[in-house]
Amino acid sequence: DAKTTQPPSMDCAEGRAANLPCNHSTISGNEYVYWYRQIHSQGPQYIIHGLKNNETNEMASLIITEDRKSSTLILPHATLRDTAVYYCILQNTGNQFYFGTGTSLTVIP
Amino acid sequence: DTEVTQTPKHLVMGMTNKKSLKCEQHMGHRAMYWYKQKAKKPPELMFVYSYEKLSINESVPSRFSPECPNSSLLNLHLHALQPEDSALYLCASSQEVRAFYGYTFGSGTRLTVV
Repeated sequence: DAKTTQPPSMDCAEGRAANLPCNHSTISGNEYVYWYRQIHSQGPQYIIHGLKNNETNEMASLIITEDRKSSTLILPHATLRDTAVYYCILQNTGNQFYFGTGTSLTVIP
Repeated sequence: DTEVTQTPKHLVMGMTNKKSLKCEQHMGHRAMYWYKQKAKKPPELMFVYSYEKLSINESVPSRFSPECPNSSLLNLHLHALQPEDSALYLCASSQEVRAFYGYTFGSGTRLTVV
């Protein structure tokens, strides 16, 4: 099964852009990259997903490299409420969804 | 209603007890899921229900017994649990099994087995 690799933790200054990387070197051609986040003691929350092209919504932007072996989630203006664990997830061929270890993002005032 | 509601929020049970976790959604979603999350670990998929039928069981021990009485309800029956089963149990739903971006998670039930 394809797996993802994320740094365990990152800090970001409030108001600055937070760039969260994810490596998925064994991704298959038809697998989407999804990002979820989990604020402490809450359920995971959907952020964004993409296949090949870069995507943007009201929460974030997703940049996927041309070879699709890595991606970056960008929070353009991080706030204290963005402090959470961010998960990069691949939807595998069995349509089962497994969370990786995630990145714990701390936004610093 | 765009929420998944889980009850109770907290549960403490002994190893000989029988208890149930409840999950409810009224979004018309036809797929529902149970995940287990240990402290500082990512959620782990336990069960998947599609159109009220169990479609995936991730080799979960039989002391966990899921039930989907109708399209809006999902239960997880617990019996003879071990202390290592203490965790946050998350329920989620989506329109269809493949619609991962449409997953809506509840806030979870924090279970402590003593």
